[in-house]
Amino acid sequence: AQSVAQPEDQVNVAEGNPLTVKCTYSVSGNPYLFWYVQYPNRGLQFLLKYITGDNLVKGSYGFEAEFNKSQTSFHLKKPSALVSDSALYFCAVSSGNTPLVFGKGTRLSVIA
Amino acid sequence: GAVVSQHPSWVICKSGTSVKIECRSLDFQATTMFWYRQFPKQSLMLMATSNEGSKATYEQGVEKDKFLINHASLTLSTLTVTSAHPEDSSFYICSARAGQGAYNSPLHFGNGTRLTVT
Repeated sequence: AQSVAQPEDQVNVAEGNPLTVKCTYSVSGNPYLFWYVQYPNRGLQFLLKYITGDNLVKGSYGFEAEFNKSQTSFHLKKPSALVSDSALYFCAVSSGNTPLVFGKGTRLSVIA
Repeated sequence: GAVVSQHPSWVICKSGTSVKIECRSLDFQATTMFWYRQFPKQSLMLMATSNEGSKATYEQGVEKDKFLINHASLTLSTLTVTSAHPEDSSFYICSARAGQGAYNSPLHFGNGTRLTVT
């Protein structure tokens, strides 16, 4: 069975500083990895995905994530955080024809 | 592109009544849509996979007679919460994939429906 772990419930970072939101996964076969962001009382917005190719993928709003196969990780990063980045972030994984499985989410708080 | 519209955005109903939530893909066709439930400060739980023209596939532990899903067209799926009770209060979110619907393509989500059962 596939699973996703987001070890941090909350990440706090000062505006302008780099941010990292961690994600590790477990899956049989090749993983399809995704990051989504959720603002209050809204659905999820797609940020980026890794399917194959370069381990570093770039996505929306300046976010990027690095796929690390040996560590089974897919951490989300941004060089310089904005207050408007404050939201709930979900990592998700699927493989082959399996439905997407989400992590429990990490709340990012960027402080001015 | 790839917009999913969900309606209503919030609903309050009395215990024992039924509530229907609509999920529409506005600019693409979706043979498959997914219904999720999200509890406060928790992740999304997949409830069921809605298949156009056939029966939905429910996840283990989800009562199919309680949560009726209909996917009558390539752009519309509905979730009906029947005989709702306060424990059904939650945030329900639908999603769909554009294109061929391959599992390596991203899901597009509706804005969710906040259901409160009194």
